[in-house]
Amino acid sequence: KAGVTQTPRYLIKTRGQQVTLSCSPISGHRSVSWYQQTPGQGLQFLFEYFSETQRNKGNFPGRFSGRQFSNSRSEMNVSTLELGDSALYLCASSSVGDTQYFGPGTRLTVL
Amino acid sequence: QKEVEQDPGPLSVPEGAIVSLNCTYSNSAFQYFMWYRQYSRKGPELLMYTYSSGNKEDGRFTAQVDKSSKYISLFIRDSQPSDSATYLCAMMNAGGTSYGKLTFGQGTILTVHP
Repeated sequence: KAGVTQTPRYLIKTRGQQVTLSCSPISGHRSVSWYQQTPGQGLQFLFEYFSETQRNKGNFPGRFSGRQFSNSRSEMNVSTLELGDSALYLCASSSVGDTQYFGPGTRLTVL
Repeated sequence: QKEVEQDPGPLSVPEGAIVSLNCTYSNSAFQYFMWYRQYSRKGPELLMYTYSSGNKEDGRFTAQVDKSSKYISLFIRDSQPSDSATYLCAMMNAGGTSYGKLTFGQGTILTVHP
């Protein structure tokens, strides 16, 4: 079974721009969670989607948003990028009653 | 105070050593406990997944959970240079308002030298 895939793998943007990251979960997984990983803060939870509904949200500003499609694929969007948004963005998928399996991440650099 | 505390190391051991990695936590609602391994510039890879207290063994890896002490451990036997990575503990409540949210420790950097 194919794992979680994320595109693009690397991204360079400038301050003020916006960015959209994509995640395709493991086949059959309906829950998708997003995390931000930085050297200083570690892995922090952004939000979780299940069957196109956001069920949980972390403590991030409204510039961070996401959505999930009927095929369980998910996107996250960051608007008005700041230097501090430079990070590895990780997507994880899970089925009911199971733990999360992570993708390789998208490394975002904001200049 | 962080909900999950993990010694960041770095930890350096010789090949063949037994490695002990630990996390403590403060949230008594955590019921699911995981260990992930993350190689440089890669996503976290699931190593162990346990529910509530007890031990679980998988090959060279043993996970222990002591809910009464709010303490979890991962033991690696016969460590190999390929085990060199960052090890992350993670925890989760059971549903409710915590859907899909794993809370992670800071990660321990492990180096196994030949």
